[in-house]
Amino acid sequence: IVLTQTPLSSPVTLGQPASISCRSSQSVVHSDGYTYLSWLHQRPGQPPRLLIYKISSRFSGVPDRFSGGGAGTDFILKISRVEAEDVGVYYCMLATQFPPLFTFGPGTRVDIK
Amino acid sequence: EVQLVQSGAEVKKPGESLKMSCKGSGYSFTTYWVAWVRLMPGKGLEFMGIINPDDSDIRYSPPFQGQVTISVDKSINTAYLQWSSLKASDTAIYYCARHVPAEVDYGDNLKPYFFDYWGQGTRVTVSS
Repeated sequence: IVLTQTPLSSPVTLGQPASISCRSSQSVVHSDGYTYLSWLHQRPGQPPRLLIYKISSRFSGVPDRFSGGGAGTDFILKISRVEAEDVGVYYCMLATQFPPLFTFGPGTRVDIK
Repeated sequence: EVQLVQSGAEVKKPGESLKMSCKGSGYSFTTYWVAWVRLMPGKGLEFMGIINPDDSDIRYSPPFQGQVTISVDKSINTAYLQWSSLKASDTAIYYCARHVPAEVDYGDNLKPYFFDYWGQGTRVTVSS
């Protein structure tokens, strides 16, 4: 499975919305009907942190300006109003029951215009 | 508070061995698999492998099978990642992460889902 993210780089304006797409080379739907697609954010010099899991479930403590959506092979992360702390690299990740088990997208770098 | 605390940065020469650690606290360590993820300079995240601290069941990502060894000592809530002979291409930051299992029955003890907590990372530099 290959995950493709677009764009790979995104200069954004503070207070404006932003979105990142993640496309999977094949659809992986588990027995519960869900695709286990998550989104992570890595600020410079920091470890990754979980934002979204199971396409659209926001992890504990994640601001509600972050939302996830999609189905099948196409997924999206949206930021309703970008704040300065949102800079960094965003990764989508797909969990599968077959090797390699976890696949990351290439990452999208977000910075402020 | 869930925490994964990794060992400090390492500077090594090619051919040397290395064993890094990841100590979990604030939760039942044997309940959650622990994964290792690589971040090479200028590259993206790569899943290396995952271990069940309860029974040491290990799954390696194919590119890393035979290249690294993952282990655990559940008596001290610590997972390990080790190399017997480092290469310059092993220069990277290595993260451990706690895995949350999916609530589906695969007939397998590992139910891949997502990683919720991450260690701070261990930077490894391999240079002659």
